[in-house]
Amino acid sequence: AQSVTQLGSHVSVSEGALVLLRCNYSSSVPPYLFWYVQYPNQGLQLLLKYTSAATLVKGINGFEAEFKKSETSFHLTKPSAHMSDAAEYFCAVSGTGNDMRFGAGTRLTVKP
Amino acid sequence: NAGVTQTPKFRVLKTGQSMTLLCAQDMNHEYMYWYRQDPGMGLRLIHYSVGEGTTAKGEVPDGYNVSRLKKQNFLLGLESAAPSQTSVYFCASSYHPREQYFGPGTRLTVT
Repeated sequence: AQSVTQLGSHVSVSEGALVLLRCNYSSSVPPYLFWYVQYPNQGLQLLLKYTSAATLVKGINGFEAEFKKSETSFHLTKPSAHMSDAAEYFCAVSGTGNDMRFGAGTRLTVKP
Repeated sequence: NAGVTQTPKFRVLKTGQSMTLLCAQDMNHEYMYWYRQDPGMGLRLIHYSVGEGTTAKGEVPDGYNVSRLKKQNFLLGLESAAPSQTSVYFCASSYHPREQYFGPGTRLTVT
C-alpha cells in the first residue's frame, strides 16, 4: 500500500522567495509520484509527475521536484514565488494498482 | 473538448434524502474515479472504474454506490444522505492509472 505525508499544512513565503513544499512517500513498489495544484473553488491540476525516468522533474509554472529514493522524498520547489502561486498543493503516489493516494495538502500563501 | 464535467455544482440535501452526481468526460478515458475532499484530509477515493460496466471500491466506499453504464459517464449515488457526507466531491478520469484529470467539483451539504 502507498501513502504520502506532506510536512506543513500551511507555508507562507514572500514574493520572490524560494518555495519549498515537502512530501515524503511510502510505497512497497517503485512509485509514481505527482504534484497537483488546486486554486480556490476549482478542481486539481497536474503540476508535474515522476514516472521513473529523470529524478529531477520539471513541471508547469516554473515548478520542479526531485525524486530521492534514499530519503523517500519528492519535494516541490520554485526558485521565485509569484502572487499567482498562492493555492493548495497536493502530493500523490501511485503504485501498481489502479488507485492514487493523496497527501493532506499544503496551503501556500505568498506575501507581497 | 470540455474535459471532465460534473453536475450539479452545488446541492443541499436533508438527512435521508437521495441524490445522484453525474460525471462526464469526453477524452475517451477508460478509468474514472470519485473522490471526496474534506479539510485537512486531502482527497480520498470513494469508488473507481477501470472500464465501461466495471466498478470497484476505494478507500471510503460506505454509503455510496456507483454505476458506469456508458464509457463517458460515471454516476455517484447517495441512497440515504447523512451529515457526514457533507463534502466536496471530485470526479477524475485517466487514460491509464497514472495521470488523472479532474472535474471542477460538486459541493454537497447535508443538513
